[in-house]
Amino acid sequence: LAKTTQPISMDSYEGQEVNITCSHNNIATNDYITWYQQFPSQGPRFIIQGYKTKVTNEVASLFIPADRKSSTLSLPRVSLSDTAVYYCLVGDMWAGNNRKLIWGLGTSLAVNP
Amino acid sequence: GAVVSQHPSRVICKSGTSVKIECRSLDFQATTMFWYRQFPKQSLMLMATSNEGSKATYEQGVEKDKFLINHASLTLSTLTVTSAHPEDSSFYICSALPEGAGEKLFFGSGTQLSVL
Repeated sequence: LAKTTQPISMDSYEGQEVNITCSHNNIATNDYITWYQQFPSQGPRFIIQGYKTKVTNEVASLFIPADRKSSTLSLPRVSLSDTAVYYCLVGDMWAGNNRKLIWGLGTSLAVNP
Repeated sequence: GAVVSQHPSRVICKSGTSVKIECRSLDFQATTMFWYRQFPKQSLMLMATSNEGSKATYEQGVEKDKFLINHASLTLSTLTVTSAHPEDSSFYICSALPEGAGEKLFFGSGTQLSVL
């Protein structure tokens, strides 16, 4: 199971672009990279998932270099409501029903006015 | 997107009582659901993997007789904390994995359990 490393915390201001980088040096060939967002006292919410290169959806972009040993979640023009903990996970989507994802401490993003 | 409903959102109980938490997938079938526990300012810790129609798989250190999991249908899994004690106070979260969703887990809103 690939382990991930992220910054513990980040600070930003409204309207700025925020990039959170995650290291996963031991990522396996079948592993996908998935990012989740969690607000206090709520369950995590899926943000984006990718395998390689770049993925973009309505809320974020995910950049994955060719070696896939890291990934960067990019949040464009953050607002106060983006203050949350962001988790990066890697896992094998074909590993069967008992696959497990290891959750790190995530990155606590604080967006200031 | 897929919706996972978790109830209750908050429960306060006396030490020694049992508490049941329900996790329902509202618009999809989930053969696999996961139960997590999260302490303040800490990450999610997987407690067990719940498989429909079979016994749950518990993580090391999680007492299966204390945390009873039942996954009787493709849309419902329950976690029962038996003989709860103050140290069981925590935030419990379930998640479900729709078929074909890869690693895109959908989470319930969580249950804050406080044992007095």
